[in-house]
Amino acid sequence: QSVLTQPPSVSEAPRQRVTISCSGSSSNIGNNAVNWYQQLPGKAPKLLIYYDDLLPSGVSDRFSGSKSGTSASLAISGLQSEDEADYYCAAWDDRLNGPVFGGGTKLTVL
Amino acid sequence: EVQLVESGGGLVQPGRSLRLSCTASGFTFGDYAMSWVRQAPGKGLEWVGFIRSKAYGGTTEYAASVKGRFTISRDDSKSIAYLQMNSLKTEDTAVYYCIRGAVAGPLPFDYWGQGTLVTVSS
Repeated sequence: QSVLTQPPSVSEAPRQRVTISCSGSSSNIGNNAVNWYQQLPGKAPKLLIYYDDLLPSGVSDRFSGSKSGTSASLAISGLQSEDEADYYCAAWDDRLNGPVFGGGTKLTVL
Repeated sequence: EVQLVESGGGLVQPGRSLRLSCTASGFTFGDYAMSWVRQAPGKGLEWVGFIRSKAYGGTTEYAASVKGRFTISRDDSKSIAYLQMNSLKTEDTAVYYCIRGAVAGPLPFDYWGQGTLVTVSS
């Protein structure tokens, strides 16, 4: 059971917009920055969004992050087949004194 | 270009030990925290532990599942981070990733190695 809660899967058609939620508590998301990672099939994860809503250099601006209270969201607009991947959120947890992950969300582009 | 290359994975029997190495290049290794994250086959990501930079004490933190069995260390002169795994259990079977953290702490995990597979089985 992951500390952060994500939907196991989401799906949407190409060129549409999808959001992936990440729910936590006051000890993690509510008090610390959220980061998002994309893991393509058979590959290592890659940083997608950091400090809630910042994009690393080279990441498409079709990806965006937001946070409100103890929940965060990753939005992907203009969906492409290459976006099919697993997406994970992560944040520092003050109570556990370490980073915690969501269980991951598998995105299917229909 | 930042690169992290893990090595040392393989098949090991339960109760035995294994040491993973992470060789870094492309940045000033000693300035950054370094972490290990694992992923069991078909499962999600699990943080294992991290080591702070010397500037922040060089101290370590571990997940409850590995505390007392795993030890992270670093050799800044060689730009290598290590994960010493003792008393291995079958549930430790996973791909282990080495990750660069930030200057002040482990997050965000901005650069990941390709991972090395550890299989614990008799």
